[in-house]
Amino acid sequence: QKEVEQDPGPLSVPEGAIVSLNCTYSNSAFQYFMWYRQYSRKGPELLMYTYSSGNKEDGRFTAQVDKSSKYISLFIRDSQPSDSATYLCAMTTADTGRRALTFGSGTRLQVQP
Amino acid sequence: DAGVTQSPTHLIKTRGQQVTLRCSPKSGHDTVSWYQQALGQGPQFIFQYYEEEERQRGNFPDRFSGHQFPNYSSELNVNALLLGDSALYLCASSLADLGRIQYFGAGTRLSVL
Repeated sequence: QKEVEQDPGPLSVPEGAIVSLNCTYSNSAFQYFMWYRQYSRKGPELLMYTYSSGNKEDGRFTAQVDKSSKYISLFIRDSQPSDSATYLCAMTTADTGRRALTFGSGTRLQVQP
Repeated sequence: DAGVTQSPTHLIKTRGQQVTLRCSPKSGHDTVSWYQQALGQGPQFIFQYYEEEERQRGNFPDRFSGHQFPNYSSELNVNALLLGDSALYLCASSLADLGRIQYFGAGTRLSVL
């Protein structure tokens, strides 16, 4: 079983829709949670970063962390065709000796005009 | 402000050969991590360098080695290439005390024939 599970999609939505992307994880030591966006043949771009549980909002993006359920989400409001990309969740522990990010396999999102 | 830069963009090698990939971190960053991303998968952590030393290593064979220079730039070397080494190789940079917030370059796409 992978430490981080992510639905691969593809997820296809009409322009303007609210998108929900999710990841589950098994390692209860994970404390830091990130969402990256990756366009085809490009490197991942950091979108959101949260520590421990709670919500964080940045423009059209909202990240949620539920540590009790080992479940994280990224919501995109008013989705645009330019949001079409693969979204990767990543997480790591607070252990100073371990700073590697563990990624999900990514969800491919397509926003139809 | 220059982001993370990687070279070359694309590389084609044959089985058994050796390859060196290069990375310059984001301005002000002192820590470099390397990841391997197979097609359709999330990035997998290879190793991280700080103060010219390997600080953490993922589950990759000794054929994968690295180096960090005094100016914080880094190299990834892979010996005795296998077909399975074909992937996108990503470099990420961070600050030592904020090592969990990692910024990625565009990657080097390695094809092993």
